[in-house]
Amino acid sequence: GAGVSQSPRYKVAKRGQDVALRCDPISGHVSLFWYQQALGQGPEFLTYFQNEAQLDKSGLPSDRFFAERPEGSVSTLKIQRTQQEDSAVYLCASSFLGGERNIQYFGAGTRLSVL
Amino acid sequence: QKEVEQNSGPLSVPEGAIASLNCTYSDRGSQSFFWYRQYSGKSPELIMFIYSNGDKEDGRFTAQLNKASQYVSLLIRDSQPSDSATYLCAVHTGGFKTIFGAGTRLFVKA
Repeated sequence: GAGVSQSPRYKVAKRGQDVALRCDPISGHVSLFWYQQALGQGPEFLTYFQNEAQLDKSGLPSDRFFAERPEGSVSTLKIQRTQQEDSAVYLCASSFLGGERNIQYFGAGTRLSVL
Repeated sequence: QKEVEQNSGPLSVPEGAIASLNCTYSDRGSQSFFWYRQYSGKSPELIMFIYSNGDKEDGRFTAQLNKASQYVSLLIRDSQPSDSATYLCAVHTGGFKTIFGAGTRLFVKA
């Protein structure tokens, strides 16, 4: 596709439910990032993939958060046993290569509300 | 101390004026610096990137970087109401992480 695609755009979950958020990066982009953005804050880094390898997961807030990118393209961020503090916008970004000079292109995000 | 700091604003400027947005960062080894614009309810979009000390101009936008002072700024000339948004400063600190500031809200009054 022409841009980074995320689905669903909105997700409402009851506390304790598991959710799965999908990211389809720009075709050919090696790098994929997940961010969490709380209201009024900047995006907070969660995890980074280079192709199918998860090279940095230091930003995942707890072991309830899990991300995968099994074929080096589409990625899924899974949150188990959701809590109210998980409510945020989850942004996915991709870039052509890894490395510090590569520009990240963001998807529209998934707004998660945990009730 | 946060790794990337921005004044949250709001910064209000009249139409046609210069808007000046500032950002400081803590990791002296940082090499890449980005400014993203984010409209309410939308995703961030890249405005400028800068890697070397000095100024970089692109249309109405100028990014300025001073690594010695660990300071990066964005100037918007001839500000338009459509420039009203939150501006995010982002710093690649090494490894795979990009650290974002909390953003500065800009209002351009018609």
